[in-house]
Amino acid sequence: EPEVTQTPSHQVTQMGQEVILRCVPISNHLYFYWYRQILGQKVEFLVSFYNNEISEKSEIFDDQFSVERPDGSNFTLKIRSTKLEDSAMYFCASSTGTSGGAGETQYFGPGTRLLVL
Amino acid sequence: AQKVTQAQTEISVVEKEDVTLDCVYETRDTTYYLFWYKQPPSGELVFLIRRNSFDEQNEISGRYSWNFQKSTSSFNFTITASQVVDSAVYFCALNSGGYQKVTFGIGTKLQVIP
Repeated sequence: EPEVTQTPSHQVTQMGQEVILRCVPISNHLYFYWYRQILGQKVEFLVSFYNNEISEKSEIFDDQFSVERPDGSNFTLKIRSTKLEDSAMYFCASSTGTSGGAGETQYFGPGTRLLVL
Repeated sequence: AQKVTQAQTEISVVEKEDVTLDCVYETRDTTYYLFWYKQPPSGELVFLIRRNSFDEQNEISGRYSWNFQKSTSSFNFTITASQVVDSAVYFCALNSGGYQKVTFGIGTKLQVIP
């Protein structure tokens, strides 16, 4: 069964460094998402992406974040200058796009656990 | 605005007991979608079910069942004859308003004791 994959599974970085989290969505899906989960807290929406553009973003997704689909398979989240509070699990997800993204089942990857020191 | 409330933060049951996880949602939209996801100790998010607001039929899938009641804005999840492998955090989630964003509840941590 097709699944979303994410690399790396764990990343440790120093405060102020840039990190890039990578995701390979399910191959025929058109909408891609990033969510984060600070330890022990709920999963929070960051951004959705469709047709090489940001479709929606939350107030969390500020100028230090960016997303990109650099090729036909990868979808990345870049955090420009990491802060301690960016430590979290970052989940990538994808959906088919048959309903314009709204209401669709989002299938999640296994997550990247980011630790900022 | 979308809101999901899971009032039970942690539940412990003995194996083979039935357990119900509560979920109450808030939205002003008439079209919305409800989801349940499972997060086992390994950390991934596993999709369990999707329901739209026009389909109030209850659903059963093996030992899992879901009770959707619009009158009380609830979408409760019952595990029958619980097993140790059911130990996980379970998230109820909501999507509405034609947006892509899914709003998650805080999650209920279920521990099934052998």
